[in-house]
Amino acid sequence: DTGVSQDPRHKITKRGQNVTFRCDPISEHNRLYWYRQTLGQGPEFLTYFQNEAQLEKSRLLSDRFSAERPKGSFSTLEIQRTEQGDSAMYLCASSFSILGSRGENTEAFFGQGTRLTVV
Amino acid sequence: KQEVTQIPAALSVPEGENLVLNCSFTDSAIYNLQWFRQDPGKGLTSLLLIQSSQREQTSGRLNASLDKSSGRSTLYIAASQPGDSATYLCAVQKVSRLTFGEGTQLTVNP
Repeated sequence: DTGVSQDPRHKITKRGQNVTFRCDPISEHNRLYWYRQTLGQGPEFLTYFQNEAQLEKSRLLSDRFSAERPKGSFSTLEIQRTEQGDSAMYLCASSFSILGSRGENTEAFFGQGTRLTVV
Repeated sequence: KQEVTQIPAALSVPEGENLVLNCSFTDSAIYNLQWFRQDPGKGLTSLLLIQSSQREQTSGRLNASLDKSSGRSTLYIAASQPGDSATYLCAVQKVSRLTFGEGTQLTVNP
Protein backbone atom coordinates (compact mmCIF):
# COMPACT_ATOMS: atom_id res chain seq x y z
CA ASP A 1 0.00 0.00 0.00
CA THR A 2 1.49 3.32 -1.04
CA GLY A 3 -0.63 5.54 1.17
CA VAL A 4 -3.22 8.12 0.19
CA SER A 5 -2.94 9.10 -3.46
CA GLN A 6 -4.29 12.30 -5.01
CA ASP A 7 -4.55 13.26 -8.65
CA PRO A 8 -3.66 15.63 -10.19
CA ARG A 9 -0.88 17.15 -8.09
CA HIS A 10 -1.29 20.53 -9.75
CA LYS A 11 -4.15 22.12 -11.65
CA ILE A 12 -4.29 25.52 -13.30
CA THR A 13 -7.69 26.56 -14.57
CA LYS A 14 -9.43 29.66 -15.84
CA ARG A 15 -12.07 31.31 -13.73
CA GLY A 16 -15.49 29.86 -14.46
CA GLN A 17 -14.26 26.42 -15.46
CA ASN A 18 -15.13 23.22 -13.60
CA VAL A 19 -12.44 21.04 -12.04
CA THR A 20 -12.47 17.58 -10.50
CA PHE A 21 -9.94 16.04 -8.15
CA ARG A 22 -9.53 12.40 -7.23
CA CYS A 23 -8.43 10.78 -3.99
CA ASP A 24 -7.57 7.11 -3.48
CA PRO A 25 -7.45 6.33 0.25
CA ILE A 26 -5.44 3.65 1.99
CA SER A 27 -7.16 0.40 1.23
CA GLU A 28 -9.57 -0.79 3.95
CA HIS A 29 -9.81 2.70 5.45
CA ASN A 30 -13.50 3.39 5.93
CA ARG A 31 -13.23 7.14 6.57
CA LEU A 32 -12.23 9.69 3.96
CA TYR A 33 -11.83 13.44 4.51
CA TRP A 34 -11.33 16.50 2.34
CA TYR A 35 -9.54 19.60 3.66
CA ARG A 36 -8.53 22.89 2.08
CA GLN A 37 -5.34 24.75 2.94
CA THR A 38 -4.36 28.28 1.92
CA LEU A 39 -0.86 29.67 2.21
CA GLY A 40 0.34 30.10 5.77
CA GLN A 41 -2.79 28.57 7.29
CA GLY A 42 -3.63 25.20 8.73
CA PRO A 43 -5.94 22.89 6.78
CA GLU A 44 -9.68 23.53 7.12
CA PHE A 45 -12.24 20.74 7.15
CA LEU A 46 -14.55 20.48 4.13
CA THR A 47 -16.34 17.14 4.33
CA TYR A 48 -16.05 13.53 5.39
CA PHE A 49 -17.34 10.11 4.37
CA GLN A 50 -17.90 6.97 6.37
CA ASN A 51 -17.76 4.32 3.66
CA GLU A 52 -19.94 5.75 0.84
CA ALA A 53 -22.06 7.98 3.08
CA GLN A 54 -21.24 11.68 3.28
CA LEU A 55 -21.86 12.35 6.96
CA GLU A 56 -20.70 15.91 7.48
CA LYS A 57 -20.14 19.00 5.38
CA SER A 58 -18.54 22.26 6.45
CA ARG A 59 -20.14 25.62 5.77
CA LEU A 60 -17.03 26.23 3.65
CA LEU A 61 -18.45 23.76 1.15
CA SER A 62 -20.59 26.06 -0.96
CA ASP A 63 -23.15 24.91 -3.52
CA ARG A 64 -20.41 24.97 -6.16
CA PHE A 65 -18.60 22.14 -4.39
CA SER A 66 -19.67 18.52 -4.50
CA ALA A 67 -17.96 15.40 -3.24
CA GLU A 68 -18.70 11.77 -3.87
CA ARG A 69 -17.38 8.44 -2.73
CA PRO A 70 -19.08 5.79 -4.83
CA LYS A 71 -18.79 2.25 -3.48
CA GLY A 72 -16.86 3.53 -0.48
CA SER A 73 -13.52 3.46 -2.25
CA PHE A 74 -12.02 6.46 -4.10
CA SER A 75 -13.53 9.92 -3.80
CA THR A 76 -13.91 12.89 -6.13
CA LEU A 77 -14.21 16.57 -5.28
CA GLU A 78 -15.71 18.77 -7.99
CA ILE A 79 -15.69 22.55 -8.02
CA GLN A 80 -18.04 24.19 -10.49
CA ARG A 81 -17.62 27.71 -11.88
CA THR A 82 -14.26 28.18 -10.16
CA GLU A 83 -13.39 31.53 -8.62
CA GLN A 84 -9.99 32.99 -7.77
CA GLY A 85 -10.78 32.49 -4.09
CA ASP A 86 -10.85 28.74 -4.70
CA SER A 87 -7.09 28.76 -5.25
CA ALA A 88 -5.66 26.55 -2.50
CA MET A 89 -4.19 23.16 -1.71
CA TYR A 90 -6.89 20.49 -1.49
CA LEU A 91 -5.91 17.69 0.83
CA CYS A 92 -7.45 14.27 1.19
CA ALA A 93 -7.03 12.05 4.24
CA SER A 94 -8.20 8.61 5.27
CA SER A 95 -8.47 6.65 8.49
CA PHE A 96 -9.92 3.47 9.89
CA SER A 97 -12.49 3.68 12.64
CA ILE A 98 -14.20 0.75 14.30
CA LEU A 99 -17.92 1.16 13.86
CA GLY A 100 -19.54 2.22 17.09
CA SER A 101 -16.31 3.46 18.65
CA ARG A 102 -15.57 7.10 19.31
CA GLY A 103 -12.37 6.89 17.35
CA GLU A 104 -9.85 7.98 19.97
CA ASN A 105 -7.12 6.00 18.23
CA THR A 106 -8.14 7.01 14.72
CA GLU A 107 -4.98 8.22 13.06
CA ALA A 108 -5.50 10.26 9.89
CA PHE A 109 -3.12 9.85 6.94
CA PHE A 110 -2.91 12.56 4.32
CA GLY A 111 -2.11 12.56 0.64
CA GLN A 112 0.28 14.95 -1.13
CA GLY A 113 -2.55 17.28 -2.04
CA THR A 114 -3.77 18.92 -5.24
CA ARG A 115 -2.60 22.51 -5.74
CA LEU A 116 -5.33 24.48 -7.55
CA THR A 117 -4.60 27.82 -9.15
CA VAL A 118 -7.51 29.75 -10.66
CA VAL A 119 -6.41 32.47 -13.08
CA LYS B 1 -16.12 26.45 18.30
CA GLN B 2 -12.76 24.76 18.75
CA GLU B 3 -9.74 27.02 18.27
CA VAL B 4 -6.18 25.75 18.10
CA THR B 5 -3.18 28.04 18.60
CA GLN B 6 0.47 27.23 17.99
CA ILE B 7 3.35 29.16 19.48
CA PRO B 8 5.80 30.23 18.20
CA ALA B 9 4.77 30.84 14.60
CA ALA B 10 8.39 30.48 13.51
CA LEU B 11 11.54 29.18 15.15
CA SER B 12 15.16 29.10 13.99
CA VAL B 13 17.72 27.06 15.93
CA PRO B 14 21.25 25.75 15.41
CA GLU B 15 21.71 22.07 14.72
CA GLY B 16 21.84 19.90 17.83
CA GLU B 17 19.53 21.97 20.01
CA ASN B 18 16.59 20.47 21.85
CA LEU B 19 13.38 22.39 21.24
CA VAL B 20 9.74 22.57 22.26
CA LEU B 21 6.75 23.47 20.12
CA ASN B 22 3.52 24.47 21.83
CA CYS B 23 -0.11 23.85 20.95
CA SER B 24 -3.19 25.01 22.86
CA PHE B 25 -6.88 24.35 22.26
CA THR B 26 -10.03 25.88 23.69
CA ASP B 27 -12.38 22.87 23.95
CA SER B 28 -10.90 20.11 26.10
CA ALA B 29 -13.54 17.54 25.07
CA ILE B 30 -11.35 16.02 22.37
CA TYR B 31 -10.93 12.44 21.20
CA ASN B 32 -7.25 12.74 20.35
CA LEU B 33 -4.48 15.08 19.26
CA GLN B 34 -2.18 14.54 16.33
CA TRP B 35 1.09 16.20 15.40
CA PHE B 36 1.97 16.47 11.72
CA ARG B 37 4.94 17.62 9.69
CA GLN B 38 4.53 19.46 6.38
CA ASP B 39 7.33 20.18 3.93
CA PRO B 40 6.86 23.11 1.49
CA GLY B 41 4.26 22.35 -1.16
CA LYS B 42 3.67 18.86 0.18
CA GLY B 43 1.00 17.01 2.10
CA LEU B 44 1.00 16.21 5.82
CA THR B 45 3.00 13.44 7.43
CA SER B 46 1.64 12.06 10.69
CA LEU B 47 4.23 12.13 13.49
CA LEU B 48 2.39 11.19 16.67
CA LEU B 49 -1.15 10.49 17.84
CA ILE B 50 -2.08 10.95 21.50
CA GLN B 51 -5.42 9.56 22.58
CA SER B 52 -7.46 11.64 25.02
CA SER B 53 -6.72 9.17 27.84
CA GLN B 54 -2.97 9.29 27.27
CA ARG B 55 -0.42 11.75 28.62
CA GLU B 56 2.40 11.31 26.12
CA GLN B 57 3.72 9.46 23.11
CA THR B 58 7.27 8.96 21.89
CA SER B 59 8.71 8.19 18.48
CA GLY B 60 12.48 8.32 18.07
CA ARG B 61 13.66 11.85 18.86
CA LEU B 62 10.09 13.12 19.18
CA ASN B 63 8.05 13.24 22.36
CA ALA B 64 4.56 14.69 22.54
CA SER B 65 2.65 15.38 25.72
CA LEU B 66 -1.01 16.13 26.30
CA ASP B 67 -2.67 17.95 29.20
CA LYS B 68 -6.29 17.78 28.21
CA SER B 69 -7.65 19.61 31.23
CA SER B 70 -5.56 22.70 30.53
CA GLY B 71 -5.92 22.40 26.76
CA ARG B 72 -2.22 22.11 26.01
CA SER B 73 0.17 19.87 24.11
CA THR B 74 3.90 20.12 23.51
CA LEU B 75 6.12 18.50 20.90
CA TYR B 76 9.69 18.03 22.08
CA ILE B 77 12.36 17.45 19.44
CA ALA B 78 15.70 16.22 20.73
CA ALA B 79 19.04 16.88 19.04
CA SER B 80 17.53 18.76 16.11
CA GLN B 81 18.90 18.19 12.60
CA PRO B 82 18.66 20.26 9.38
CA GLY B 83 16.33 17.57 8.02
CA ASP B 84 13.84 18.49 10.74
CA SER B 85 13.23 21.83 9.00
CA ALA B 86 9.53 21.94 8.12
CA THR B 87 6.20 23.28 9.36
CA TYR B 88 4.77 21.39 12.33
CA LEU B 89 1.02 21.32 12.75
CA CYS B 90 -1.05 20.11 15.66
CA ALA B 91 -4.65 19.04 15.21
CA VAL B 92 -7.35 18.01 17.67
CA GLN B 93 -10.12 15.60 16.81
CA LYS B 94 -13.64 15.74 18.15
CA VAL B 95 -16.21 13.38 16.63
CA SER B 96 -15.16 13.30 12.97
CA ARG B 97 -13.19 16.37 12.05
CA LEU B 98 -9.66 17.54 12.79
CA THR B 99 -9.18 21.19 13.75
CA PHE B 100 -5.70 22.48 12.97
CA GLY B 101 -3.50 25.21 14.28
CA GLU B 102 -1.64 27.46 11.86
CA GLY B 103 1.62 25.66 12.46
CA THR B 104 5.15 26.43 13.61
CA GLN B 105 7.71 26.89 10.85
CA LEU B 106 10.97 25.36 12.09
CA THR B 107 14.37 26.02 10.57
CA VAL B 108 17.38 24.06 11.84
CA ASN B 109 20.63 25.64 10.72
CA PRO B 110 23.72 23.50 10.07
